[in-house]
Amino acid sequence: SAVISQKPSRDICQRGTSLTIQCQVDSQVTMMFWYRQQPGQSLTLIATANQGSEATYESGFVIDKFPISRPNLTFSTLTVSNMSPEDSSIYLCSVWIGYEQFFGPGTRLTVL
Amino acid sequence: ELKVEQNPLFLSMQEGKNYTIYCNYSTTSDRLYWYRQDPGKSLESLFVLLSNGAVKQEGRLMASLDTKARLSTLHITAAVHDLSATYFCAVDASGSRLTFGEGTQLTVNP
Repeated sequence: SAVISQKPSRDICQRGTSLTIQCQVDSQVTMMFWYRQQPGQSLTLIATANQGSEATYESGFVIDKFPISRPNLTFSTLTVSNMSPEDSSIYLCSVWIGYEQFFGPGTRLTVL
Repeated sequence: ELKVEQNPLFLSMQEGKNYTIYCNYSTTSDRLYWYRQDPGKSLESLFVLLSNGAVKQEGRLMASLDTKARLSTLHITAAVHDLSATYFCAVDASGSRLTFGEGTQLTVNP
């Protein structure tokens, strides 16, 4: 399995500001994934973060809005830029260990 | 585009009863996952199904996969209150990128 931590666990932010979410894994992994879970909804993949290359974004998500860093094999950040109330969600990072995908505890973001 | 559909989306059942949650998906895949999510919590991995005909059981939950029918089931036997949660199925059909179903919110009543 994997131990994944995220910071912050929750935050309340003002419209127009940005928030950077950190994800730390206890083992080296090639890919890290960022998901969004809007209130009462399922999970949607935002992007895949690869160490040493640009992140790969899913349809409907762009780098200007969700810039991602991946400085090493155990760490990644996701920034939610120029936030609006529609960005209020839980943001989760995840990794694959073998055939199983493990999720971090999530960052609960509220935008006022 | 891969679509993953669960039904029912909401399930209220009495303790001691049995029920099945269904997960249909629209494209070929032989990797399907079931997760549990408690309110305000992250996702907990329940089952990893990696081949046609795979069946796995843990306690009162049993999951199966029929890749030809593109169908997975999560069967609940003799439900107890502690099973109340939201259950998601997810399909890996494009190289490690999971597509999730809408989730089934299960409430088990005394």
